[in-house]
Amino acid sequence: AQTVTQSQPEMSVQEAETVTLSCTYDTSESDYYLFWYKQPPSRQMILVIRQEAYKQQNATENRFSVNFQKAAKSFSLKISDSQLGDAAMYFCAYGGDYKLSFGAGTTVTVRA
Amino acid sequence: KAGVTQTPRYLIKTRGQQVTLSCSPISGHRSVSWYQQTPGQGLQFLFEYFSETQRNKGNFPGRFSGRQFSNSRSEMNVSTLELGDSALYLCASSLGRTKETQYFGPGTRLLVL
Repeated sequence: AQTVTQSQPEMSVQEAETVTLSCTYDTSESDYYLFWYKQPPSRQMILVIRQEAYKQQNATENRFSVNFQKAAKSFSLKISDSQLGDAAMYFCAYGGDYKLSFGAGTTVTVRA
Repeated sequence: KAGVTQTPRYLIKTRGQQVTLSCSPISGHRSVSWYQQTPGQGLQFLFEYFSETQRNKGNFPGRFSGRQFSNSRSEMNVSTLELGDSALYLCASSLGRTKETQYFGPGTRLLVL
């Protein structure tokens, strides 16, 4: 079974600054996907970014980028130029066959 | 394209009752997955359906069941409700190929009294 670990329960960042969220995972597979989802107070899960394990290039979506270290099984999310709307819970997820395994989540607070 | 829809959005039941939740996937998506989110256990996978067949199942008791219809809409049922079943139930849809991105609905909040 795949396990996903997010070791930071909470992170705080000043508006316009950068914050990095950590995620590690355990798997014996070589082909898989990794995701970061955002869950604001509305509880709607929103896809932030996706990384295919076979791709060496780190994924980027506007202000969001990842640092994917396959050998270390590490998948961190960097939020640049943080905005008040980035405040939410962020979940790291491992995509295996027809299911997602989630970490415990990191609550991000943005200070104005 | 319309997103994933879930009904009802909120539900209050008492112990011992049963409940049925509904999920309509994004148009063209044939896979529907269900997840349970609680403060204590986090997000846990319940089951996944594709073309009316269950392809994967999480570690939940038999009181939790689901089905999928020919139009890809899915329902999940919980029988003999327990207090611990109080949770946010999230439905997600995808095209159905392995390791696809899943897109989530707004969830159904179930409170068991």
